[in-house]
Amino acid sequence: LAKTTQPISMDSYEGQEVNITCSHNNIATNDYITWYQQFPSQGPRFIIQGYKTKVTNEVASLFIPADRKSSTLSLPRVSLSDTAVYYCLVGVYNTNAGKSTFGDGTTLTVKP
Amino acid sequence: DTAVSQTPKYLVTQMGNDKSIKCEQNLGHDTMYWYKQDSKKFLKIMFSYNNKELIINETVPNRFSPKSPDKAHLNLHINSLELGDSAVYFCASSPGRGAAEAFFGQGTRLTVV
Repeated sequence: LAKTTQPISMDSYEGQEVNITCSHNNIATNDYITWYQQFPSQGPRFIIQGYKTKVTNEVASLFIPADRKSSTLSLPRVSLSDTAVYYCLVGVYNTNAGKSTFGDGTTLTVKP
Repeated sequence: DTAVSQTPKYLVTQMGNDKSIKCEQNLGHDTMYWYKQDSKKFLKIMFSYNNKELIINETVPNRFSPKSPDKAHLNLHINSLELGDSAVYFCASSPGRGAAEAFFGQGTRLTVV
């Protein structure tokens, strides 16, 4: 299984762009990279998923370099409500093999 | 309608008891999971079922037994509860087998006293 490494915590201020990087040196060819957000007392919530290059949705962008050994979740103009734990997940999507492993998460604190 | 619902939300019980946590998903997904999140917030997969078939069984004590009566339900039964079982247990479902784009329930906070 591809193990992931993320910063334990990050601080930011409202209105700033936040970039959280995840390292996954042992990522396999079939692995996708997925990010989840978790608020206190709630289950994780899917944010974005990608395989290579760049993916953007209404919430975030995901940047994946050519070697795919890392990925960066970018949150534009964060607000206080973006304070949460962000998990990087590497695993196989929709195939008969494999399973996904959550990283240890990055606690993002957005300050006013 | 709640996509993935777990019951109960809170469970306080004594050591040695047997308890069950129920999970239901109305998303039509083929795969369901049980995760354990400990006090340090580490999220670890325990089990995964695909169309009622067990496909992931991580190293968990035999006291934990998942049961999937149909693909919309995945229950977790725990025998002889121990203090170390105290954690938040999350049920999730996904259309595929890799937990990508998984939908999680609200969690069941289990406290063993």
